[in-house]
Amino acid sequence: KAGVTQTPRYLIKTRGQQVTLSCSPISGHRSVSWYQQTPGQGLQFLFEYFSETQRNKGNFPGRFSGRQFSNSRSEMNVSTLELGDSALYLCASSKTGPNEQFFGPGTRLTVL
Amino acid sequence: KQEVTQIPAALSVPEGENLVLNCSFTDSAIYNLQWFRQDPGKGLTSLLLIQSSQREQTSGRLNASLDKSSGRSTLYIAASQPGDSATYLCAVRNQGGKLIFGQGTELSVKP
Repeated sequence: KAGVTQTPRYLIKTRGQQVTLSCSPISGHRSVSWYQQTPGQGLQFLFEYFSETQRNKGNFPGRFSGRQFSNSRSEMNVSTLELGDSALYLCASSKTGPNEQFFGPGTRLTVL
Repeated sequence: KQEVTQIPAALSVPEGENLVLNCSFTDSAIYNLQWFRQDPGKGLTSLLLIQSSQREQTSGRLNASLDKSSGRSTLYIAASQPGDSATYLCAVRNQGGKLIFGQGTELSVKP
């Protein structure tokens, strides 16, 4: 059974640009969550989607948005990039929200 | 607001030693607690999930316990090996559904 996949694995952008990250959950999983990991703040919850609806949201500005498609794949978008957005962005899937979460390898975003 | 703390932040032990990693949380109204390991630059690997109604879970050399009333969980690693070297993270899922992570314990097992 394939695990959670994230694309791209690495990205370099400049300030002011926007970026879209993609996550494909484990087959049969309907919940997808996104997290940001930085050395200073650790792992922070961004949002969770279930059946194409955002079910939970963390404390991030509106520049961070996401969506989920009917096949449960999810995308995360960050607009007007700032230097502080440089981080490892992790996606996790589960069958429903509260079950065991399985993480992808992450997308390393560097903002110059 | 739920806060999760892991102590110690870093730990170095010789191979073969048994060890305990600690996790504490401020709000006992949790849905479940999950332990992960993370290798440098990689994603998280799920180790154990403990539901709020459970006291412990075991997988191989790993045993995780949960004391919800005192807001504590421990991860016990038996007979540690160099391959166990990684950062160990604990995360609690609160009743609102969010997963809140601790800062992790960086474990180094020396041959």
